[in-house]
Amino acid sequence: GQNIDQPTEMTATEGAIVQINCTYQTSGFNGLFWYQQHAGEAPTFLSYNVLDGLEEKGRFSSFLSRSKGYSYLLLKELQMKDSASYLCAVSVNYKLSFGAGTTVTVRA
Amino acid sequence: ETGVTQTPRHLVMGMTNKKSLKCEQHLGHNAMYWYKQSAKKPLELMFVYNFKEQTENNSVPSRFSPECPNSSHLFLHLHTLQPEDSALYLCASSQVQGTRRENTEAFFGQGTRLTVV
Repeated sequence: GQNIDQPTEMTATEGAIVQINCTYQTSGFNGLFWYQQHAGEAPTFLSYNVLDGLEEKGRFSSFLSRSKGYSYLLLKELQMKDSASYLCAVSVNYKLSFGAGTTVTVRA
Repeated sequence: ETGVTQTPRHLVMGMTNKKSLKCEQHLGHNAMYWYKQSAKKPLELMFVYNFKEQTENNSVPSRFSPECPNSSHLFLHLHTLQPEDSALYLCASSQVQGTRRENTEAFFGQGTRLTVV
């Protein structure tokens, strides 16, 4: 099986920066995804990393270190609408294995 | 709108009932998946269909029976469920590139919130 760990909850202030860490131990690795899921809605794709390094996409960035089995999602200039659950998922043989998700609460 | 549609959005059923969940994808993908999402737990992969063929069954109890009549439609037939089966059931699709270990984004439907009473 796959072992994917991320913090359960994080709270931050509007306009601030939050970093969500994800560590994994998997049998095989084809890439790492981050998804955002608002309550009662479908998970939606945020980012994908397959090589080491930082991928930047607007206010969101994702980092990967394959040797350390580590990734993080960085959310900058937080907005109230960023309050959601953030799911780390590792791809193994085109199937995604998910962490339990990190619930981020943005406060005014 | 993700291109993956699930119906119904909510379902309450008794333990002796039989019901079906439906998923349809309009993305031209060749792989479809059923996931179970329980509170505070990771999404659990239940079934994988690749080119309409079931390629994975993650030790799912037989009271859950999937059906994939074509690459655009996926069903999950439910019978004699237990209260612990209450969860959000998510369907997803992706494009698998033949035998390459290609990573492709999975697109999710909004899920069916199932309550077993």
